[in-house]
Amino acid sequence: AQKVTQAQTEISVVEKEDVTLDCVYETRDTTYYLFWYKQPPSGELVFLIRRNSFDEQNEISGRYSWNFQKSTSSFNFTITASQVVDSAVYFCALSDYNYGQNFVFGPGTRLSVLP
Amino acid sequence: NAGVTQTPKFRVLKTGQSMTLLCAQDMNHEYMYWYRQDPGMGLRLIHYSVGEGTTAKGEVPDGYNVSRLKKQNFLLGLESAAPSQTSVYFCASSAGRGYQPQHFGDGTRLSIL
Repeated sequence: AQKVTQAQTEISVVEKEDVTLDCVYETRDTTYYLFWYKQPPSGELVFLIRRNSFDEQNEISGRYSWNFQKSTSSFNFTITASQVVDSAVYFCALSDYNYGQNFVFGPGTRLSVLP
Repeated sequence: NAGVTQTPKFRVLKTGQSMTLLCAQDMNHEYMYWYRQDPGMGLRLIHYSVGEGTTAKGEVPDGYNVSRLKKQNFLLGLESAAPSQTSVYFCASSAGRGYQPQHFGDGTRLSIL
């Protein structure tokens, strides 16, 4: 069975600090996909990134970066120079290749960025 | 550019009442999903559909029913609401395969008294 663990329930940082959100996953599949979603205080869920199991290159998008390491089954998310607008709950999710219904979310990490 | 639209956004029910939540998507997606979100538990899949006329159970299906009579709509029904069903409900859709991201509606906050 697939499982996603986000051990950090809540994190608070001061604006401009860097912060890393951890995601550890479990799967028996060799082909799988990892996702990050953001849920701001307004409540909607926003898709941030997808990474497939064959691509371990780190990805950077502005202040956001993602570190995928198959050896440790981790897909961590770093926000550089955090801003108040980054305050949200962040979810990591895992899906296998074939079936969209096998989409498993982690419990989420609530990030508070203080001014 | 609506994407996924959920109706209603808020609802308060009394125990034992019934209601239907409507989800509509305009992206021609094959897959649709209903989740519930409870504090500290992330998103849990209630039911899903892999195409028009099909439905299947997810992780927490008890107390809910669904229908997908039209490709663009996915309905979630509560036949006899219970306080344990107080939650925020999210509908999502995707193009199908597991590598496709899910696109979410804005959620429905449901309280059962």
